[in-house]
Amino acid sequence: DGGITQSPKYLFRKEGQNVTLSCEQNLNHDAMYWYRQDPGQGLRLIYYSQIVNDFQKGDIAEGYSVSREKKESFPLTVTSAQKNPTAFYLCASSPGTGDYEQYFGPGTRLTVT
Amino acid sequence: GQQVMQIPQYQHVQEGEDFTTYCNSSTTLSNIQWYKQRPGGHPVFLIQLVKSGEVKKQKRLTFQFGEAKKNSSLHITATQTTDVGTYFCAGFGNEKLTFGTGTRLTIIP
Repeated sequence: DGGITQSPKYLFRKEGQNVTLSCEQNLNHDAMYWYRQDPGQGLRLIYYSQIVNDFQKGDIAEGYSVSREKKESFPLTVTSAQKNPTAFYLCASSPGTGDYEQYFGPGTRLTVT
Repeated sequence: GQQVMQIPQYQHVQEGEDFTTYCNSSTTLSNIQWYKQRPGGHPVFLIQLVKSGEVKKQKRLTFQFGEAKKNSSLHITATQTTDVGTYFCAGFGNEKLTFGTGTRLTIIP
């Protein structure tokens, strides 16, 4: 069953702690993305990666970090430097970074208190 | 930078009424995509429009891409309860896909 998996679905952390969100895809897609979604707002791009061992900052990269050591995996770390980390985080992939449709994972809802 | 705005932000309609959401870009787009996100779910790709003035239909859904390739619309005829969710447009331009703010559709049975 091909697709994108994100885990966990819900995540709770104390303020000041770093937390890593996982994203795995078995679609053999080259490009992967991380988005943040807040109530009443659209999807804002955090980071994206076009190929293994390469990634670029999106519109709101401050306070986040990523790695792309394997084609199928693109974990996102929310660091303590992110001032307002509570949000719904969505991972997506596409065959390339051109005008391809994006396939989204189920998302991780992170709550930091 | 490229900005994509959608209106309205919310829309409540009686079941059976029509619904339209509009998408406007600050820059000319190469193409535009539309996604649907059910409550509690994740965005799912609906369609992509590429040509100026293009119109595509999917059953009760009609998608249009403006002549100037800066705006688009999604029209749903005779809404059903299964249409509830948030509809996003996403414009591709300057090698970047930018999502609109979304229109949240609720259906009154």
